[in-house]
Amino acid sequence: ETGVTQSPTHLIKTRGQQVTLRCSSQSGHNTVSWYQQALGQGPQFIFQYYREEENGRGNFPPRFSGLQFPNYSSELNVNALELDDSALYLCASSLDPGQGWYNEQFFGPGTRLTVL
Amino acid sequence: DAKTTQPNSMESNEEEPVHLPCNHSTISGTDYIHWYRQLPSQGPEYVIHGLTSNVNNRMASLAIAEDRKSSTLILHRATLRDAAVYYCILHNAGGTSYGKLTFGQGTILTVHP
Repeated sequence: ETGVTQSPTHLIKTRGQQVTLRCSSQSGHNTVSWYQQALGQGPQFIFQYYREEENGRGNFPPRFSGLQFPNYSSELNVNALELDDSALYLCASSLDPGQGWYNEQFFGPGTRLTVL
Repeated sequence: DAKTTQPNSMESNEEEPVHLPCNHSTISGTDYIHWYRQLPSQGPEYVIHGLTSNVNNRMASLAIAEDRKSSTLILHRATLRDAAVYYCILHNAGGTSYGKLTFGQGTILTVHP
C-alpha cells in the first residue's frame, strides 16, 4: 500500500510568481485536504477536495486554489506569491468526509516553499 | 471550533510513562478528541481518538475526564522515537467541518536517553 506522496520536496519562488504543488493520495482514499504550516506553528486547513469538488475551505484568499483529478490525486495552486506564503504545505488523504464519526487523515511529508 | 489548551513543552526520560494533558472546556457533545503527532521533518500522523470512554491502541492510551473537559494522552514507555509535537484536536463529527482538523500549537515532547 503506497502512502501519501508530495512533490516537489522543496521549492524556491520569488514574490509575485505562481506555484503548483502536487499530491498523490493513499490507495483507496477519495478525499484530499491541504494544510499550510508556518515555521513553529500547527498546520492550518486550506481546503478539502472530495470526488473532484471543493468540499470546505479555511480562511485563505482565492489566490489559493486546487484541483482533484479522477484518480484522486490533487494539486494546490498559489498565485501572486507573497513572502508570508513561505511555509510547509501538507496534503492529507482520507476516506469520505461524511462518514460521521471519524475519518483518520494520512499526511504526506510536505513541500517546503520558500518565497524570496 | 472548540479550542484546546496544551502545555508548550514537556520532557521525559526514555522508558518512563508520559502523560500529555489537554484542556477543552468548551467541548460539545458531538466533538471527538483526536491526537496527532508530528515527528521532525514529517507530516502529522494519527495517534488515537475517542469520544467518552478511555481508549487504548498499540501506540498510546487516551484517558477522557468524565465531564469531557479534559483528556490525557498516555505513552506507556517513552522511546527516543516518540520525541515529537503532539496535537490535541477536537473534531465535530456531526457538523459541517468537512473533515477539517484544527491544529493548535501542540506540546513539544523531548525524550532524554
